[in-house]
Amino acid sequence: KNQVEQSPQSLIILEGKNCTLQCNYTVSPFSNLRWYKQDTGRGPVSLTIMTFSENTKSNGRYTATLDADTKQSSLHITASQLSDSASYICVVSYHYGGSQGNLIFGKGTKLSVKP
Amino acid sequence: DTAVSQTPKYLVTQMGNDKSIKCEQNLGHDTMYWYKQDSKKFLKIMFSYNNKELIINETVPNRFSPKSPDKAHLNLHINSLELGDSAVYFCASSQVLGGELFFGEGSRLTVL
Repeated sequence: KNQVEQSPQSLIILEGKNCTLQCNYTVSPFSNLRWYKQDTGRGPVSLTIMTFSENTKSNGRYTATLDADTKQSSLHITASQLSDSASYICVVSYHYGGSQGNLIFGKGTKLSVKP
Repeated sequence: DTAVSQTPKYLVTQMGNDKSIKCEQNLGHDTMYWYKQDSKKFLKIMFSYNNKELIINETVPNRFSPKSPDKAHLNLHINSLELGDSAVYFCASSQVLGGELFFGEGSRLTVL
């Protein structure tokens, strides 16, 4: 069964600290993996996309990794800021019936950055 | 210059009523979606349209009926509203099916 599991469910850190969010998936055949950030009361916004051949990709203080062998991805946030407080959602796309457009959503990790 | 806009942002109504949520995108995308986000914040696909054609229709009560008059619009009509329909409904679009999703700001529906 195609699934995306995220951990931890929630996380509280102090401003300036680093943190790592995890995403494990059993989606097959894999197409790509995206991390989205959802601020409270807003729609999710894409942070980064990882394809099968990519191991690491950075977007400012956000660094995503992908291990296609173990089917794991992580999102590392460096020097956290109060504005990083949000839910982070892992979304995996897979091939099905000739389409690459099928998406499986994780349940998200709620990050709270405290001053 | 909002990319994906949906209205209304808030909707409070009584059980049994019928309501609609409208969505428009000005990104020139071919694919539009409706997602439901429940109280546990889990985003769940409801419908997907590609070039005005229904592509994905998840297990959703037939009280929910999407309508796409053109590629830039995807509206959601809900009949006979129930308490369990209370949620935030997000419209989204992507250039291609399964591509990067661009979400609207959400429509919070409260059924009393």
